[in-house]
Amino acid sequence: DTGVSQDPRHKITKRGQNVTFRCDPISEHNRLYWYRQTLGQGPEFLTYFQNEAQLEKSRLLSDRFSAERPKGSFSTLEIQRTEQGDSAMYLCASSGTGRNTEAFFGQGTRLTVV
Amino acid sequence: AQKVTQAQTEISVVEKEDVTLDCVYETRDTTYYLFWYKQPPSGELVFLIRRNSFDEQNEISGRYSWNFQKSTSSFNFTITASQVVDSAVYFCALSELGDSSYKLIFGSGTRLLVRP
Repeated sequence: DTGVSQDPRHKITKRGQNVTFRCDPISEHNRLYWYRQTLGQGPEFLTYFQNEAQLEKSRLLSDRFSAERPKGSFSTLEIQRTEQGDSAMYLCASSGTGRNTEAFFGQGTRLTVV
Repeated sequence: AQKVTQAQTEISVVEKEDVTLDCVYETRDTTYYLFWYKQPPSGELVFLIRRNSFDEQNEISGRYSWNFQKSTSSFNFTITASQVVDSAVYFCALSELGDSSYKLIFGSGTRLLVRP
């Protein structure tokens, strides 16, 4: 296993279209996170799964956003009716549980809404 | 409220100079973790170090060193004898609830440019 994998790496879409991103975590990790990073800023937490359960959602995650992790393995993040303000880098991370673990990040999906 | 502040937006140094990246954090938790990540142009966040709130020992790893001071709520990062490959954006982050892999609160990052 070579790390967290995200697909696609880049996505350009027209305003109003729906987009879906995929994240494949490190195989033995039961936690999975989605973050959003806008230009010149640090990543901001969006949501978090432990196995298939979505345990926390940020208020940044509007009703147009939905995330799933159906079998506790890969996850998808869907944005419906995209807006220009959704343009950002969407980062996925995974980790084990416990006091001495850290999150490993994928290379991200850069979304541009035109 | 929890917050991480990286006041230095961009730093430019000449190769072989030492450089320190500042990080100041706010938290009400007594148990927390602090991190540094590096983000090269490829976009992936690369983990550099994790520190828990009970361990104030400074750490050195090769050319990298970290200074954690609870009294000033700071967790600064020094690169000794910088190299062009160190050019990247560096993020400091905080994790609370005594859980090192819980959601991270990031600072806004410091862009480091090392010129040959």
